[in-house]
Amino acid sequence: EPEVTQTPSHQVTQMGQEVILRCVPISNHLYFYWYRQILGQKVEFLVSFYNNEISEKSEIFDDQFSVERPDGSNFTLKIRSTKLEDSAMYFCASRRARESYEQYFGPGTRLTVT
Amino acid sequence: AQTVTQSQPEMSVQEAETVTLSCTYDTSESNYYLFWYKQPPSRQMILVIRQEAYKQQNATENRFSVNFQKAAKSFSLKISDSQLGDTAMYFCAFMREYGNKLVFGAGTILRVKS
Repeated sequence: EPEVTQTPSHQVTQMGQEVILRCVPISNHLYFYWYRQILGQKVEFLVSFYNNEISEKSEIFDDQFSVERPDGSNFTLKIRSTKLEDSAMYFCASRRARESYEQYFGPGTRLTVT
Repeated sequence: AQTVTQSQPEMSVQEAETVTLSCTYDTSESNYYLFWYKQPPSRQMILVIRQEAYKQQNATENRFSVNFQKAAKSFSLKISDSQLGDTAMYFCAFMREYGNKLVFGAGTILRVKS
């Protein structure tokens, strides 16, 4: 069964450094998402991406964040200058089509900012 | 804005027993989608069951079923014949029709005891 994959599983970085989190969505899916879960808290929407552009973003997704689909398979989240409060689990999700409303999640990347 | 409330931070159940997790939501939309996601200790988000608001029939997936009460804006999850592998955090989530993002509740930790 196809699944969403994410790399790395755990990333440790120093405050102020740039990080890129990578995701490979399910191959025939058209909609892509990033969510964040700070330890012990609820899962929060960051951004959605469709047709090579951002379709919606939350207030968390400020200028420090960017997303890209550099080729036909990868979907990346970049944080330009990490802060301590960016430490969280980051989940990528994908969805097949507009009329198919289920989102399938990857295993997550645990980001630790020191 | 939509909100999702899970009023039970933690629950426990004996193996083979039945447990019900509560979820309420607030929306002015007439059609929407509701989901339950399971997050075991591995932190992977797994889709358990989904419900379309325009369908009156409650969704069922093997041992998992929902009690969807549209007028009361309630969407509870019933797990029958609980198994040790059901131990996880369970999140209720909402998505508007033609919407993009999932809005999650705070989650309920379920512990299945042998």
